[in-house]
Amino acid sequence: GDSVTQMEGPVTLSEEACLTINCTYTATGYPSLFWYVQYPGEGLQLLLKATKADDKGSNKGFEATYRKETTSFHLEKGSVQVSDSAVYFCALNLTPFSGGYNKLIFGAGTRLAVHP
Amino acid sequence: DAGITQSPRYKITETGRQVTLMCHQTWSHSYMFWYRQDLGHGLRLIYYSAAADITDKGEVPDGYVVSRSKTENFPLTLESATRSQTSVYFCASSVRDRGDTEAFFGQGTRLTVV
Repeated sequence: GDSVTQMEGPVTLSEEACLTINCTYTATGYPSLFWYVQYPGEGLQLLLKATKADDKGSNKGFEATYRKETTSFHLEKGSVQVSDSAVYFCALNLTPFSGGYNKLIFGAGTRLAVHP
Repeated sequence: DAGITQSPRYKITETGRQVTLMCHQTWSHSYMFWYRQDLGHGLRLIYYSAAADITDKGEVPDGYVVSRSKTENFPLTLESATRSQTSVYFCASSVRDRGDTEAFFGQGTRLTVV
């Protein structure tokens, strides 16, 4: 079935370090890919998305590129801040036109802790 | 207030009791979802709804019931709560049936079944 696999956390970094959180997916159709972020005590909010192969999503210094050949959507940031500490979720959504349903499938989440 | 709101934020209930978690959105989004969040599992879909009076099961529907008589409300009922249903529950909505649209999440309800 359709699924998302993320690297396990927690990831602990010093401020200004580089971040990569790996995400790979399995899907029968042509999914859109997302990264959601959950700050402590809050719900999830969209961080970035990409809807087709080779698209790059970016927001708040974070980037991820939709790689169809490796079925990956790794999240990267060149210099993390303490305020980036949160749980990050990779997700996919299959469009109705590719035989899917409008419902997000999430990975297990990766907790990031950034220290000063 | 505009947005998607869940109530209560925290709930403690006893095994075997019925409990209802409320979700209300002010955007008139057609799609609404219920997820549960458990350590090591991420978010798993319980039920979803494409429109008023249209609901369908997700990945983990057993023990839950939903209804959607109005577009803006999507309550989730645990008919007879069990300890395994202790979790954080998130409601979400999205504007239409395209897979590339953003889902908006409520702040969650932390449910403890004792």
